[in-house]
Amino acid sequence: KAGVTQTPRYLIKTRGQQVTLSCSPISGHRSVSWYQQTPGQGLQFLFEYFSETQRNKGNFPGRFSGRQFSNSRSEMNVSTLELGDSALYLCASSLGGIITDTQYFGPGTRLTVL
Amino acid sequence: AQSVSQHNHHVILSEAASLELGCNYSYGGTVNLFWYVQYPGQHLQLLLKYFSGDPLVKGIKGFEAEFIKSKFSFNLRKPSVQWSDTAEYFCAVNAGSGNTGKLIFGQGTTLQVKP
Repeated sequence: KAGVTQTPRYLIKTRGQQVTLSCSPISGHRSVSWYQQTPGQGLQFLFEYFSETQRNKGNFPGRFSGRQFSNSRSEMNVSTLELGDSALYLCASSLGGIITDTQYFGPGTRLTVL
Repeated sequence: AQSVSQHNHHVILSEAASLELGCNYSYGGTVNLFWYVQYPGQHLQLLLKYFSGDPLVKGIKGFEAEFIKSKFSFNLRKPSVQWSDTAEYFCAVNAGSGNTGKLIFGQGTTLQVKP
């Protein structure tokens, strides 16, 4: 069974630009969560989607948004990039939720903002 | 606000030594607790989790953790570490938000096991 895949793996953007990251969950998984990992702040929850609906959201500004498609694939968008958005963005999927099911993480997308 | 604190940022042990990594959380209600591990060059993966029942939870690769509600703690233990346990370990809590993917992570502990 294929794992969680994220594209692209590496990305370089400049301040003010916008970026879209993609996540393909494990087949059959309906829950997709996004996390930001930085050396200073560690791993922080961005949002979770389940069956195309945002089920939970972390404390990030509105520049960070996401969506989920009917095939459970998810995209995350960051508009008006800032230097502080440089981070590893991780996507994780589970069947229905992390209490009843195991959450599997992808390799991440490394975003560098110049 | 909910938070998770991992006391040790970097731990160095020799093979066969015992391991205990501390984790404390701040939340007064029902919690679900997790330990994740990231081996060098690999994805973050679940070691073990607690959501109800026996407070002593056993995970993969000989790891276990004990939930002590009165101490708001969920420490990770392994009686005898191996070189292959070298990794970064993260404690996380899912507090009061049901079966969602919202996890609050600790800062992580880097474990280095010397052969």
